[in-house]
Amino acid sequence: QVQLQQSGPGLVKPSQTLSLTCAISGDSVSSNIAAWNWIRQSPSRGLEWLGRTYYKSKWYNDYAESVKSRITINPDTSKNQFSLHLSSVTPEDTAVYYCVRDPGYSTTRWGQGTLVTVSS
Amino acid sequence: DIVMTQSPDSLAVSLGERATINCKSSQSILYSSNNKNYLAWYQQKPGQPPKLLIYWASTRESGVPDRFSGSGSGTDFTLTISSLQAEDVAVYYCQHYYITPYTFGQGTRLEIK
Repeated sequence: QVQLQQSGPGLVKPSQTLSLTCAISGDSVSSNIAAWNWIRQSPSRGLEWLGRTYYKSKWYNDYAESVKSRITINPDTSKNQFSLHLSSVTPEDTAVYYCVRDPGYSTTRWGQGTLVTVSS
Repeated sequence: DIVMTQSPDSLAVSLGERATINCKSSQSILYSSNNKNYLAWYQQKPGQPPKLLIYWASTRESGVPDRFSGSGSGTDFTLTISSLQAEDVAVYYCQHYYITPYTFGQGTRLEIK
């Protein structure tokens, strides 16, 4: 049974970097048939896909244009987890953040969600 | 980006009656090489992540009651709840996974009349 466990701070100051981690159990971040995504949800923007990392002979990343200049998603094979880093945050980045395996597919799994508030 | 538009935004249905939610994509999400529509439906209750109900537009996820069904192809899709139960009160979302960026509909809030 695949499970995703999120961790990270719930409060980030404006202009700083938001960092979250998603620990994977029951699967491998290096799986060549899965992609590991971050999705956020806010009242103003709804559900918004941010990006993903996946391994197919080498590591790949895809990012949403809206955050492309500020986002990094990194796999950590030693800890079987992946992380989200979003720099230069503003109050517009306040949202519930989810880590997700394969959104839409029958193999999808969602983390529990982390409410991140951007405020001084 | 593919834009997903749901209708209606909210819906009130009596217990035991049928509920129908529509989702339209701005371009076809039918992949011709495998004849699959890359469309999923989710149910979300307060404080929980979205729960997958339907994938490939019409395949019910394991454990989902058979009163939930999905239909449609190309750009027009429908989620139907054949006989509304109290536990079905939630917000429902469609999502395409045809190509990144994956995008979601704005959600349909389903209530009991």
